Amino acid sequence: QQQVKQSPQSLIVQKGGISIINCAYENTAFDYFPWYQQFPGKGPALLIAIRPDVSEKKEGRFTISFNKSAKQFSLHIMDSQPGDSATYFCAASGDFRGGGNKLTFGTGTQLKVEL
Amino acid sequence: ETGVTQSPTHLIKTRGQQVTLRCSSQSGHNTVSWYQQALGQGPQFIFQYYREEENGRGNFPPRFSGLQFPNYSSELNVNALELDDSALYLCASSAGLADYNEQFFGPGTRLTVL
Repeated sequence: QQQVKQSPQSLIVQKGGISIINCAYENTAFDYFPWYQQFPGKGPALLIAIRPDVSEKKEGRFTISFNKSAKQFSLHIMDSQPGDSATYFCAASGDFRGGGNKLTFGTGTQLKVEL
Repeated sequence: ETGVTQSPTHLIKTRGQQVTLRCSSQSGHNTVSWYQQALGQGPQFIFQYYREEENGRGNFPPRFSGLQFPNYSSELNVNALELDDSALYLCASSAGLADYNEQFFGPGTRLTVL
């Protein structure tokens, strides 16, 4: 019930294209949904985050779409660039007993943007 | 402002040994969380420390233990190492327990158990 399912496992997109990564969750107690970007040899870094009270959040080329009834959310990367090539993780957190802002991560999507 | 640092970068141990990993939190942060990231997987929550007290634990056995010091740096200790403990161990610090307190991750410690 604590799982966050993420797809696809890997993604190849042409430069300038749109990258779309999808996640689904089961536990309705989750109320904060961040996306992290991880480059090789680095720790994950927060990219963008959303709460269930909004259906979309946009920051630059990155957009989160959120469907509360379906318990799904997705990351859209517009005008994808080679520098976006990285592993992307969706995550979720909630007001559980203990573990404050502990994050439950998806399994990751390895994105490659080709020239 | 110094970011989250972890030491050592890499570590090789043999099964049954014990290991201590260290994390220095970002300046002004009082909360440290530890995660285990197996190869090709997402990070999994091990436990969290807030102002030197454990504040939640994930599904990890008691041989995984930790400490947080008065300067909010932290240690992760793993006893009786098993082959499956081979992973990247990530430390993240934040300015509090609220979900809007962004967690800043260190580069991790790569542990290999032979």
